[in-house]
Amino acid sequence: QVQLVESGGGLVKPGGSLRLSCAASGFTFSDYYMNWVRQAPGKGLEWLAYISSSSSYTNYADSVKGRVTISRDNAKHSLYLQMHSLRAEDTAVYYCARVLVGTLGAFDMWGQGTMVTVSS
Amino acid sequence: DIQMTQSPSSLSASIGDRVTITCQASQDISNYLNWYQQKPGKAPKLLIYGATNLETGVPSRFSGSGSGTDFTFTINSLQPEDIATYYCQEYDNLRTFGPGTKVHI
Repeated sequence: QVQLVESGGGLVKPGGSLRLSCAASGFTFSDYYMNWVRQAPGKGLEWLAYISSSSSYTNYADSVKGRVTISRDNAKHSLYLQMHSLRAEDTAVYYCARVLVGTLGAFDMWGQGTMVTVSS
Repeated sequence: DIQMTQSPSSLSASIGDRVTITCQASQDISNYLNWYQQKPGKAPKLLIYGATNLETGVPSRFSGSGSGTDFTFTINSLQPEDIATYYCQEYDNLRTFGPGTKVHI
């Protein structure tokens, strides 16, 4: 089954850290650029980061640069987002998304999302 | 960084109507523009990529046009299942999304 499944969300205190995972199945994960996107409750979509297929290139939104790190393990078909110094405004559903081959930024497959709540 | 704006922020339409949403980039992004549909509680779905290309499996009533800074997304003959929020997204620079347009009946 072709899918992305996020995990690792939960309740974390302000200033804390969290590592999100995204497990890919049903396609050749190592062929694809991948991204993280989040959506705060009742708000719009916010792109966070991308990583190239071989991990050679990464880029981050200014809002999270320096606090998050995107990484991947192609052997494990997995994508990760390590988050530090979490704030209340980081509360959101976090999605991983695959980039459509032939484009560099069209997200043709998304996971179901994992909820991160930052609260004391 | 590139800023994306969309208008309107919400609209009300009837079944069978033609619906048009516009998206503007703060600088020239060529045709590096996508459109997504998101229904409540669901992940977004890619509809249009490269400003005009219909994603596989997406009904042909959806279309996109434009280049440079100004883009248009159209639903010809709105269907009940099209009630959703629609987002544009640039991929010329980072991957910035527009604020969204909520379409309701």
